[in-house]
Amino acid sequence: EAEVAQSPRYKITEKSQAVAFWCDPISGHATLYWYRQILGQGPELLVQFQDESVVDDSQLPKDRFSAERLKGVDSTLKIQPAELGDSAMYLCASSLAGDRVHEQFFGPGTRLTVL
Amino acid sequence: GNSVTQMEGPVTLSEEAFLTINCTYTATGYPSLFWYVQYPGEGLQLLLKATKADDKGSNKGFEATYRKETTSFHLEKGSVQVSDSAVYFCALSQGTSYDKVIFGPGTSLSVIP
Repeated sequence: EAEVAQSPRYKITEKSQAVAFWCDPISGHATLYWYRQILGQGPELLVQFQDESVVDDSQLPKDRFSAERLKGVDSTLKIQPAELGDSAMYLCASSLAGDRVHEQFFGPGTRLTVL
Repeated sequence: GNSVTQMEGPVTLSEEAFLTINCTYTATGYPSLFWYVQYPGEGLQLLLKATKADDKGSNKGFEATYRKETTSFHLEKGSVQVSDSAVYFCALSQGTSYDKVIFGPGTSLSVIP
């Protein structure tokens, strides 16, 4: 069964350092999402791609976060510099485009701890 | 703006008990409604969905009915199992071409033997 892949699964870093997360969506899924999930809360959308284009990054802290999906397939989310408040689970999801009711398929997430 | 409210957890039930997790929403128009489940150490996965009023979504013994008059989408299961222990998220999507999903805060369920 096709799955969304993410790496690393866990990342510990010190504040002010740079971190990067990688996501490989299910083959053929044009829409890719990055979410941040703080412990005890629901996922919050950071950025959404349609193919290689960003269609929603209204909640992305652009002074320190960046995301790219250069060839419209896999994607990288970067944080530079990391802050203590960035400690969270970062989830990637993908879905087919064109369907009004998209099922989003989630990866296992990357748990980030900033010390 | 759009939002989702869920009953606070954690919820602890004995095996074979009846489960209800309340979910209400605020949205304009006619959103689609979802329940996602997150098992320990895993990502979220879609449990069930409903796309219009009075629709009933069902899967793995879980059910939820889209009630527009009460803006609710309560999750129910007649007899829970230990394997149902997880965090359950209610969510909505406006169903626009960019399909943004808004999640509730989640309700943690523990089922004890």
